[in-house]
Amino acid sequence: AQSVTQLGSHVSVSEGALVLLRCNYSSSVPPYLFWYVQYPNQGLQLLLKYTSAATLVKGINGFEAEFKKSETSFHLTKPSAHMSDAAEYFCAVSGAGTASKLTFGTGTRLQVTL
Amino acid sequence: DGGITQSPKYLFRKEGQNVTLSCEQNLNHDAMYWYRQDPGQGLRLIYYSQIVNDFQKGDIAEGYSVSREKKESFPLTVTSAQKNPTAFYLCASRSDSQNSPLHFGNGTRLTVT
Repeated sequence: AQSVTQLGSHVSVSEGALVLLRCNYSSSVPPYLFWYVQYPNQGLQLLLKYTSAATLVKGINGFEAEFKKSETSFHLTKPSAHMSDAAEYFCAVSGAGTASKLTFGTGTRLQVTL
Repeated sequence: DGGITQSPKYLFRKEGQNVTLSCEQNLNHDAMYWYRQDPGQGLRLIYYSQIVNDFQKGDIAEGYSVSREKKESFPLTVTSAQKNPTAFYLCASRSDSQNSPLHFGNGTRLTVT
């Protein structure tokens, strides 16, 4: 069984400030982890993925995430927020094997203020 | 460009009517998925298919049906048995490698009154 918990359904930051979106996972097998972004009335777009090659993963739009096995976490960060980062962000976990399904967190809505 | 096409973007139906949502992909992916999205609940898996002519129920399959007659197509029917059909529906596909991400369509917003 696998699950994802995203702490904070809404996060607000000022433009230029650090973005930190939290994700903790539970998985009975070594996980594959993903972060997706969703803009209003659109599908989800992949930001980055962890597949055990490196614990620090760099993604698109300046985002990165660090896999910490001891903390079962995969938090998403960006050093300096931009207005265009305002969106909803989803963390997802998948177990090994091609038959494995992705399980999504409930999402975190990021607001960026001037 | 390869991608996933969902149609229509917006769909309105009267209660008691079945409705079919279209999903087509040209990514040559074997696996396809349907998710339902409601505010504050994230994405919940309705059905998925890993190969043509085969599909499995997800976490919330009641009131829905699917078919997978072609690799490129995975239509979802929302039946009158679905208690709360109004939602945003997302189709996705995935290649058969272990760590491959899902690729999503732009969704269909269904409103049933």
